[in-house]
Formats: sequence, structure tokens, C-alpha cells
Amino acid sequence: KQEVTQIPAALSVPEGENLVLNCSFTDSAIYNLQWFRQDPGKGLTSLLLIQSSQREQTSGRLNASLDKSSGRSTLYIAASQPGDSATYLCAVDSGTYKYIFGTGTRLKVLA
Amino acid sequence: GAVVSQHPSWVICKSGTSVKIECRSLDFQATTMFWYRQFPKQSLMLMATSNEGSKATYEQGVEKDKFLINHASLTLSTLTVTSAHPEDSSFYICSAKQLAEYEQYFGPGTRLTVT
Repeated sequence: KQEVTQIPAALSVPEGENLVLNCSFTDSAIYNLQWFRQDPGKGLTSLLLIQSSQREQTSGRLNASLDKSSGRSTLYIAASQPGDSATYLCAVDSGTYKYIFGTGTRLKVLA
Repeated sequence: GAVVSQHPSWVICKSGTSVKIECRSLDFQATTMFWYRQFPKQSLMLMATSNEGSKATYEQGVEKDKFLINHASLTLSTLTVTSAHPEDSSFYICSAKQLAEYEQYFGPGTRLTVT
């Protein structure tokens, strides 16, 4: 059974720092992995989708990498801003289109 | 493009009543829709998968007679929580995908509070 874990559970950093969020999954046979942002009481905003054949994806200040063999993905946020404060979720799809979500990392960027 | 809406955004109902939540794909045909539930400070858990015109497939532990899902058109799926109880209070989020596409598009969620 696929399990997805995110470390750290919470993170507080000063504005301007570069930071890394980690996601690990137990079954490496995934179809794709997606990173989302969730603001309090809100739905999900898709950030980056990495297909199993890809190793990384970039969008603006965000870069996500995928290492299937080790069961890991990282989300790198450059030059963090207070507006980046949110919960970040990773989710894996093992080919059935059913996403298994991680536990999330609550990020707070201090001005 | 690829916008998914949910209605209502929040609802309060009394214990024992039923409540219906709608999920609509606004600018694409959603052959498959998914319903997730998120309890406070927890992650999203998949409840069921619905394909247009077919019966929904429920995840283990989700009562199909309690959470009725209808996906009668390519743009609308509904989740009805029957005989709601306080423990059903949660944030319900739907997602939708097109045939042969990878990505799912998520709705903004519906917060249900059962008193």
C-alpha cells in the first residue's frame, strides 16, 4: 500500500530564504507526482506535475525533482516571500489516477 | 481553462438531514471525477471515483449508502451525504479529469458542518 510522507510537518523561515520541502513515498511504481499548494480553508492549487519519466519540473521560483528509485521528491522554493505561506502537499498517482496525498508541510514565511 | 467549481462553498446542516454538494467542470468534459475528504489538520483522503454514466467506485471504509455519488453528465457530479452526523463534518473536495489526460483539476472545496 502506497504511503506518502512529508518532512518537515511545519517550517518557519525569514523572507528571502531558499528552502526545500521533502516528500517520500514507499512504492516507487508511480505514474506521476504532483505538488499542490493549499491556503487555509481553501482548495488546492496545482504547482508542478512530474511524470514518471521526468526528473524535474520548474515554474518560476519553484523547482520540483523526482527520484523514483529512492522514492523521493523535493520542492525547492527560491527567494521565499510571505505570500508563499501555505500548506504544501505532494500527491502520487500509481497509474489509477487515484492520488495518494502526503501529510503536508505548513510553511510560514516571515516578513 | 480547466476550472472546477463546487457548490455550496460551505453548508451547515442538522444531524439526521441530508446535504448535496455539486462539483462542476466549467470548461471541459470530465469523464472522471473524484471525491476527497479532509479532516482538520489532516491530508486529503480519496472517498470515491465516479465515471460519467457509471456507478461510483468507493474506497475501502467509505459507506456507499451514506455517501451517494451521481455523475450523470460530463460536467456535473454530486455527492449527497445522507443522514449526516457531526462526525461527517469535514472539508469535501472534488477533482475532475478529461479522458486520456494526466492532470486532475481540483475544486475549491465545500466545508460541511453538521450540528
